[in-house]
Amino acid sequence: SQQGEEDPQALSIQEGENATMNCSYKTSINNLQWYRQNSGRGLVHLILIRSNEREKHSGRLRVTLDTSKKSSSLLITASRAADTASYFCATGGAQKLVFGQGTRLTINP
Amino acid sequence: EAQVTQNPRYLITVTGKKLTVTCSQNMNHEYMSWYRQDPGLGLRQIYYSMNVEVTDKGDVPEGYKVSRKEKRNFPLILESPSPNQTSLYFCASGMTDPSNTEAFFGQGTRLTVV
Repeated sequence: SQQGEEDPQALSIQEGENATMNCSYKTSINNLQWYRQNSGRGLVHLILIRSNEREKHSGRLRVTLDTSKKSSSLLITASRAADTASYFCATGGAQKLVFGQGTRLTINP
Repeated sequence: EAQVTQNPRYLITVTGKKLTVTCSQNMNHEYMSWYRQDPGLGLRQIYYSMNVEVTDKGDVPEGYKVSRKEKRNFPLILESPSPNQTSLYFCASGMTDPSNTEAFFGQGTRLTVV
């Protein structure tokens, strides 16, 4: 079952620009996580934000969470070619993660 | 290096021929899971295990079996593979600590059943 939807499904920007991806979910949560997947490879954990947090930073990543709207956003600043990947939000925990459909991000040189 | 290791990475097989995909983690994690990833359907959980000898069905368990005889290993077994099991499979592991729910994923196994 899919917890939510991500928007946009695909995003193409120039290197150096900022990229913003959005995620919506359906049920109440304890936390929300973001993962990155390079083409056909395993998912890598990026950042976790708890339900009592509104914003969190990690390097060039900024995540916001609005529990009243059941939505989250991931901002990648000063994008690089190496950021080209699919990005997924996920709710739940290590026992079971429920993923959104993902945003395919392409960074053009 | 902390990691989840899946084998094989690529597999082409024929309908009905039993196969096993292995998964091993070296982080002493209690939780282990299997997911499949399909275009348009995203990632869906097949089975999960909370610890040794404790396994349970996920969202799409039909046609699959698992076992957890040792904490580090969680093999996925397809007794009689069918073409609709052609997919990209991921094993994942994590801790029971509710304050640290990050999952660690293997590199994936691309399975084609003809």
